[in-house]
This record gives sequence, C-alpha cells and structure tokens, in this order.
Amino acid sequence: AQRVTQPEKLLSVFKGAPVELKCNYSYSGSPELFWYVQYSRQRLQLLLRHISRESIKGFTADLNKGETSFHLKKPFAQEEDSAMYYCALSLPSGTYKYIFGTGTRLKVLA
Amino acid sequence: DTGVSQDPRHKITKRGQNVTFRCDPISEHNRLYWYRQTLGQGPEFLTYFQNEAQLEKSRLLSDRFSAERPKGSFSTLEIQRTEQGDSAMYLCASSLGVGRGYEQYFGPGTRLTVT
Repeated sequence: AQRVTQPEKLLSVFKGAPVELKCNYSYSGSPELFWYVQYSRQRLQLLLRHISRESIKGFTADLNKGETSFHLKKPFAQEEDSAMYYCALSLPSGTYKYIFGTGTRLKVLA
Repeated sequence: DTGVSQDPRHKITKRGQNVTFRCDPISEHNRLYWYRQTLGQGPEFLTYFQNEAQLEKSRLLSDRFSAERPKGSFSTLEIQRTEQGDSAMYLCASSLGVGRGYEQYFGPGTRLTVT
C-alpha cells in the first residue's frame, strides 16, 4: 500500500543551522511528491513539488527513487521557518489524491 | 480573497446531531477534494469530485457521511448522527488540471467538535 513516513514529529534547530526534514515513501510506480507547510493559524500551502525542481524560501528537495526519499533541506534556518511541514504523495492516475505523512513540526530557536 | 473558502470555521455539536459543511473552491478549478485531519495526523483523503461527479470515496467515509457538488461549483459534506470519533478538522482542497504537476489548494478547514 502507498505510504508516506515522516519519522520526526518535532525538529528543533538554532537559527542559521542547516535543516533536513525527512520524508520516505512507499509506492511502486512513478511518484509525484510535494511538500506543504502550515504556519501558525494559517492554511496548508504548497512549498515545493518535485516535478518543478525549484527552490522556494531557500528550501530544496530532491527525489531519490533508490532510497524512496524526498527530504526537505535548507542550509540556514530562519526563525520564520518555524511551522508544520507535511510531505505528500500524489497518486498519478485517476484522482491524484494526496497521501500525507504525519508531519514534522520545525522550531527554529533564536 | 480568491482562495478556497470553507464555512463554518468551527462547529460544536452534540452527539447524534447532523452537521453540514460547505466548501467553495477556486472558481475555475474542476477538481475538489475533502480530507479529514485528526490530532497528530496528516490529512486523510475522504472523497473526490471532478466537476459534479463524485468519482472516489474512501472507506473512511461511512454511510453516515454524504458529499455533494451540485453544478460542479461549491460542495457540501454532511455527517448524520454524529459521533465523538467524528471530531476532527475537515479540509477542502481544489485543483485546476488533469495530470502531473497540478497542486491542490487548501481551504482553512472546518473544525468539528462533537460533545
């Protein structure tokens, strides 16, 4: 069955430190992966999608099919990066519904 | 604000009562999704509409749940005979296109508390 795993519920880093939020998936086909972010009292919003290979707010994520991972990285964390981050797998046929991980709360400490 | 809107934002109801939530997607989006999120979990898929047709329902959607999208515009999600286990955040999302790379845009959610 398709599954997304985010092993860390909480990740605390100091401002200026590198950040890596882990995401592993299980899917036998060609996956389509997204990172969504939810800032305090705001709605879920798209941060990154693997298909566009872009960098948003300094974050990048590379799809590693061999390791079935899509980790989110930023070289220097900022306090405004503190938020809840969700990795999502879209099944590329039919509905394109999302399967989400359980999320990782990132706290960037001053 | 031209994003996805949901109404109400919060609903407190007593067990056994019926509730209905509304979602207004981004106007040109033909795809509409409902998800449910409980504490400490990511959103879980409930159902999907393409225009007015409901094309998929999760097994999470018991027969107490019904969703509609008349005329392919707004959608409603009704829960009959609510139970305490129905307490959750109900999220609506819409998407423009068919195929790879079309992300979903989420509404603010409706938080349901069943007492």
